[in-house]
Amino acid sequence: AQSVAQPEDQVNVAEGNPLTVKCTYSVSGNPYLFWYVQYPNRGLQFLLKYITGDNLVKGSYGFEAEFNKSQTSFHLKKPSALVSDSALYFCAVREKAGYSTLTFGKGTMLLVSP
Amino acid sequence: EAQVTQNPRYLITVTGKKLTVTCSQNMNHEYMSWYRQDPGLGLRQIYYSMNVEVTDKGDVPEGYKVSRKEKRNFPLILESPSPNQTSLYFCASSFKGRTNEKLFFGSGTQLSVL
Repeated sequence: AQSVAQPEDQVNVAEGNPLTVKCTYSVSGNPYLFWYVQYPNRGLQFLLKYITGDNLVKGSYGFEAEFNKSQTSFHLKKPSALVSDSALYFCAVREKAGYSTLTFGKGTMLLVSP
Repeated sequence: EAQVTQNPRYLITVTGKKLTVTCSQNMNHEYMSWYRQDPGLGLRQIYYSMNVEVTDKGDVPEGYKVSRKEKRNFPLILESPSPNQTSLYFCASSFKGRTNEKLFFGSGTQLSVL
């Protein structure tokens, strides 16, 4: 069975500082990995995905994520945080082979202070 | 505008009173899915559909029904709601062709069962 772990319920960072939101995954084969963001009172929005190739994936709003196969991690990063980045972030995984459903982590609340 | 539309946005009901939450997408997506979001548990899949007349259980299907008679619509039915079904519900859709496709989410339905 596939699974995702987001070890931090909340991440606090000051505006202008770099941010990292952690994600580790477990699948039996090769993964597709995704990050979604949820702003208050909104549905989830796609940020970025890893399919294959470069381990550093660039996405929307200046976010990027680094795929590390040996550590089975897919951490979300941004060089300089904005107050408007404050939201709930979800990591998700799907196995490449066949068609499995998408499994989400529990979410990490990112709070960026002015 | 490409979108997934859920109705109603908020719903308060009583135990045992049948209800339906509607979901419609205008992107000609084959794949549609329902999730519930609960604090500390993240998103959990209830049911999904790979195409018209094809539905399958997700991780938490008990107490829910779905139907997919048309490609654009995927209603979620609670035949006899109970208080433990109080939750935030999201409908999502995507193309089915490749398993790396991103999901598009509706704005959510906040359901309270008294």
